[in-house]
Amino acid sequence: DGGITQSPKYLFRKEGQNVTLSCEQNLNHDAMYWYRQDPGQGLRLIYYSQIVNDFQKGDIAEGYSVSREKKESFPLTVTSAQKNPTAFYLCASSRASGRNTGELFFGEGSRLTVL
Amino acid sequence: KNQVEQSPQSLIILEGKNCTLQCNYTVSPFSNLRWYKQDTGRGPVSLTIMTFSENTKSNGRYTATLDADTKQSSLHITASQLSDSASYICVVSENAGNNRKLIWGLGTSLAVNP
Repeated sequence: DGGITQSPKYLFRKEGQNVTLSCEQNLNHDAMYWYRQDPGQGLRLIYYSQIVNDFQKGDIAEGYSVSREKKESFPLTVTSAQKNPTAFYLCASSRASGRNTGELFFGEGSRLTVL
Repeated sequence: KNQVEQSPQSLIILEGKNCTLQCNYTVSPFSNLRWYKQDTGRGPVSLTIMTFSENTKSNGRYTATLDADTKQSSLHITASQLSDSASYICVVSENAGNNRKLIWGLGTSLAVNP
């Protein structure tokens, strides 16, 4: 079945360590996104990519990095520079941007806890 | 400041009953309005997407309405089921053709009790 797969679902990290969250989609979507969800706040955009080998910062990109070497994959690295990394991270994809942008399809999320 | 406000913050209803969730927004320019359902610990799932020219859109027992003049939307759930227990999030796009500019509400937490 087509969809978005995020891994791992749960991840624990010590302070000072980098960690990479995986996101793979087989929907043949051009655009992919990373969001962060915290209690009491709406989803916030970290990074997005509209095409392979290109990505743009979202609203809260500091302390994060991404790559888009393949259409299907958009991994997110949470670096030690991110001050409050404990959160629920969501990856999404959509068809290429157009006048009526396609709906977002989300993965199941990755919960990162910094010990 | 572009904002999306949802009410109520939380709601408890009995199985089989109907309910209506509200979304008010101040986003401008307006492109489209979306409702998502998010089960606890899982990713959001799209229910409806409406442009400014659409007044109502249904998806099974879910019916969304939009009044672009008053900048209000509602999500009506008919004959609720236990599986409807989730957070329902209203999202407004302020830029046509670009998911970059999405303003997310905080969601309404719905609990359906037997």
